[in-house]
Amino acid sequence: DAGVIQSPRHEVTEMGQEVTLRCKPISGHDYLFWYRQTMMRGLELLIYFNNNVPIDDSGMPEDRFSAKMPNASFSTLKIQPSEPRDSAVYFCASSFGQPQHFGDGTRLSIL
Amino acid sequence: EDQVTQSPEALRLQEGESSSLNCSYTVSGLRGLFWYRQDPGKGPEFLFTLYSAGEEKEKERLKATLTKKESFLHITAPKPEDSATYLCAVQGASGSRLTFGEGTQLTVNP
Repeated sequence: DAGVIQSPRHEVTEMGQEVTLRCKPISGHDYLFWYRQTMMRGLELLIYFNNNVPIDDSGMPEDRFSAKMPNASFSTLKIQPSEPRDSAVYFCASSFGQPQHFGDGTRLSIL
Repeated sequence: EDQVTQSPEALRLQEGESSSLNCSYTVSGLRGLFWYRQDPGKGPEFLFTLYSAGEEKEKERLKATLTKKESFLHITAPKPEDSATYLCAVQGASGSRLTFGEGTQLTVNP
């Protein structure tokens, strides 16, 4: 089976631009999670969905961040406007209960 | 608030030199403790789930154990390919979210 697929793998953009990260979860999984990983803060949960419905967005840093899951096969994390402090690796994970299975991440650099 | 602390931050071993990684946790209503392995440029890869104190799980050279306050990942006769960052996470009673520790970066020299 294909794992969690994230795109793009790398993104470099200038401050103020809109950034959209994409995730395709494993087929049949009903939970989807977005994480951010940095050297300073480690791996932190931003938001998660169950059956396409956002359940807990308490980790979303501010209004510049938004996430959607229009169907069971696709989710996006959007940052608008982007700032240099948003530079990090963003991971998507999916699960049917536990454990969570992770994609290989999007390395985001905001100049 | 759930908390996870891993030690040491980094560990360097010679091939064949056994050791243990520690994961201390505080959580309200432990529903599961998870170990993941992360290689550079990759996402975390699931290794084990432990549910209750006294439980043990094994996979090749790795064995995970659990008490009411901590978990250990024992590595027996490690090989260079075991080099990675090992992450510990807990799921509490509040839902499906995981709280991760900072990880232990393991290097095994040939």
